[in-house]
Formats: sequence, structure tokens, C-alpha cells
Amino acid sequence: GQQLNQSPQSMFIQEGEDVSMNCTSSSIFNTWLWYKQDPGEGPVLLIALYKAGELTSNGRLTAQFGITRKDSFLNISASIPSDVGIYFCAGQLGWGETSGSRLTFGEGTQLTVNP
Amino acid sequence: AAGVIQSPRHLIKEKRETATLKCYPIPRHDTVYWYQQGPGQDPQFLISFYEKMQSDKGSIPDRFSAQQFSDYHSELNMSSLELGDSALYFCASHGLNTEAFFGQGTRLTVV
Repeated sequence: GQQLNQSPQSMFIQEGEDVSMNCTSSSIFNTWLWYKQDPGEGPVLLIALYKAGELTSNGRLTAQFGITRKDSFLNISASIPSDVGIYFCAGQLGWGETSGSRLTFGEGTQLTVNP
Repeated sequence: AAGVIQSPRHLIKEKRETATLKCYPIPRHDTVYWYQQGPGQDPQFLISFYEKMQSDKGSIPDRFSAQQFSDYHSELNMSSLELGDSALYFCASHGLNTEAFFGQGTRLTVV
């Protein structure tokens, strides 16, 4: 099956620093999604990307859909303590009844922000 | 706004018992997914339904089954539970051209 490689696995930063994480795939996706997960909770959608080359922002978050459709990155600017959590990228091929609508997840990036 | 509702939030079962997890998708969402997440792991796709029909199947054990009902809620049935089935189980839903939203999950502990 498709594999997503997410890096880094973990990051330890100081409050106020910027953060960057990325995902790469051996095959293309038509949608890239970034989720944040707190311990014991479900993943919460942060940003969705639908077009190759698309750059989208959501507050302090910026994500890009790679031009090859095989990669995506997420940047967090001016980090704050509540940014702590696990960040997952996810790729999706299609919608609805197609088998491609399943989400394939990266391995996650554990972010720790020191006040 | 309504979110994906899962029940129960926590469940403790003994080995070889049966468990049923329930998922209520966001209203008007026609696709439901089930994922299993082990400790320190990313969510692994189990099975999905589109308009009450199974649309895709992932790494779901034969001991597990699922269905989507006429009101679009879904149930994941797990039989002959094993210690290795202990995990977080997430349901997600999406509608036409909307993103997938996840429920808060059910933490299953098999003892």
C-alpha cells in the first residue's frame, strides 16, 4: 500500500520559534491534509490542500501541496505552548465510494514547546 | 456545529469477549471510516462505508465486522478479543467534497 514518510519524528523547540515538518510519498495524492492530535483524543483537522502547488494559511499555520503531488509541508510560526501535540499528514486520492477515499497517514511529528 | 460522536469513550473487555463500538457521523455526511491507532502509532485504516455500502477494506481482522445503518450511524463489532486489540478506535466521516472529520475515539482495553 501507499506509504507516507513524515519528518521529523519529534521536535523540541522554545516558545516563539518557528517549526517546519514535511511528508513525502512514493505515489501521488489528490488531497493533502494536516491534523493535530492531543493525547487520547481524535485528530483535529488543521489545513486541507486540494491543488498541486497550493499554499494555504490558517492563522499561524501555513501548508503547501507539492507540485509533484507527492509531498507537503506544514509550517507553524511563533509557536506557543498549546501547539504541543502530534501532527499528522494524511493523503487522499478520491471521494465517496472509491477505494481512494481512505486517508493514509504519516507516522506523525511529536512537537514539544518549552515556555 | 455537530461533530462525529463515538460511544463508548472507554471500554474494558476480557480476552475472547465481544465489543461493539458505535459511530454517529456528522449530519449529511455519507462516508464513514474506521481507524485503529495503537500506542505511539499513526491511525491505520480498517474499513469504510459510502451510502451504507462497504466501499473499502483495509487491515481489518476477520474477527471484526462493521456495518452502516439506514440512519448512517455505523457499528464496529469485534469478537474473540485479543490483548493486541487494545487501541484507540476512531471513526471519521465526510460528505461530498468536504474533508474528513474524526470523532474523539473509543479507547478499548483488553485484559
